[in-house]
Amino acid sequence: KQEVTQIPAALSVPEGENLVLNCSFTDSAIYNLQWFRQDPGKGLTSLLLIQSSQREQTSGRLNASLDKSSGRSTLYIAASQPGDSATYLCAVRQGDTGFQKLVFGTGTRLLVSP
Amino acid sequence: NAGVTQTPKFQVLKTGQSMTLQCAQDMNHEYMSWYRQDPGMGLRLIHYSVGAGITDQGEVPNGYNVSRSTTEDFPLRLLSAAPSQTSVYFCASSYSGGRNNEQFFGPGTRLTVL
Repeated sequence: KQEVTQIPAALSVPEGENLVLNCSFTDSAIYNLQWFRQDPGKGLTSLLLIQSSQREQTSGRLNASLDKSSGRSTLYIAASQPGDSATYLCAVRQGDTGFQKLVFGTGTRLLVSP
Repeated sequence: NAGVTQTPKFQVLKTGQSMTLQCAQDMNHEYMSWYRQDPGMGLRLIHYSVGAGITDQGEVPNGYNVSRSTTEDFPLRLLSAAPSQTSVYFCASSYSGGRNNEQFFGPGTRLTVL
């Protein structure tokens, strides 16, 4: 059974710092990995999607990497801002045919202080 | 596009009551799914659909029913609500097949069962 772990569970940094969020998964047979952002009381916003054949994806100050063989992904946030404060979730997509479900980690809660 | 919409945003039920959580998407996505989010457990798949008229069970289906009469709508029915069903419910949709199918999530329904 696929298990997705995110470390740390919570992180507090001052504004301007570069930071890395970690995601690990136990079964490397994934189709893709998706990073989401969730603000308190809100839904999930997709940040980056990495195909299983890709090593990284970038969007603005965000860079996500994927090492499928070792079961790891990282989300790098450059020059953090208070507006980056949220919970970040990673999810791997897997399945044999047809519908491929997402298996989620429990998230990293990020607080960026001014 | 409105994306994925969910109603209601909040709901309080008494044990034994039934209700339907509504979900709709306007992106012509074939795949739709329901997840529940509980503290410390991440999001877990309840039911999913790969197209109109086709549904299947996910990881935690007990106590829930679904149907998919149109491509746009995917309601989730609680047959006889129990306190264990207190949770935040998210509906998601994506295109079918392929490895690049990004999941889009609705804003969620917060359900409390007394």
